Amino acid sequence: GDSVTQMEGPVTLSEEAFLTINCTYTATGYPSLFWYVQYPGEGLQLLLKATKADDKGSNKGFEATYRKETTSFHLEKGSVQVSDSAVYFCALSRQTGANNLFFGTGTRLTVIP
Amino acid sequence: DTAVSQTPKYLVTQMGNDKSIKCEQNLGHDTMYWYKQDSKKFLKIMFSYNNKELIINETVPNRFSPKSPDKAHLNLHINSLELGDSAVYFCASSPSGGPYHEQFFGPGTRLTVL
Repeated sequence: GDSVTQMEGPVTLSEEAFLTINCTYTATGYPSLFWYVQYPGEGLQLLLKATKADDKGSNKGFEATYRKETTSFHLEKGSVQVSDSAVYFCALSRQTGANNLFFGTGTRLTVIP
Repeated sequence: DTAVSQTPKYLVTQMGNDKSIKCEQNLGHDTMYWYKQDSKKFLKIMFSYNNKELIINETVPNRFSPKSPDKAHLNLHINSLELGDSAVYFCASSPSGGPYHEQFFGPGTRLTVL
């Protein structure tokens, strides 16, 4: 079945460090891929998305590229800030059928000054 | 203006009770969802409605019953609450018509069953 495998956390980085959170997926066809972020005590917000192979999603300095050949959608940021501390979720939505999201397990990021 | 709202934000109750969580979206979306987030932060779909019609019902106990009085509302009623129902429940909505649409999430309802 469709699934998302995400790098286990927690991840702790110093401010201005480089961030990578790995995400791979299993799905038939061409799913849409998403990164959502959950700040403490809040709901999920879309961070970025990509809907076809080789698309790059970007927002707030974060980027992720849809790689069909490696079924991956890794999240990167060149220089993290304390305000980026949150839980990050990789997710997919199937190409056909119902449009619910399949989530990875989430990765907690803590950025220290 | 709040796009997706849920009430209550916190719900503490005893085992065996019946409770409801309400969700409303003012985005004009056709599709609404309920997700459950467990203590390890894992999120899983429970139900999905499209224009008031149930389209997804994952393996959720019959004690959970969604109700959609109109396409802007999707409420969740839970009978005979159990300890294992303790979780954060998120409502979400999206436009219909394709998998590439962003889903908008409510702030969540933290349910604690004692």
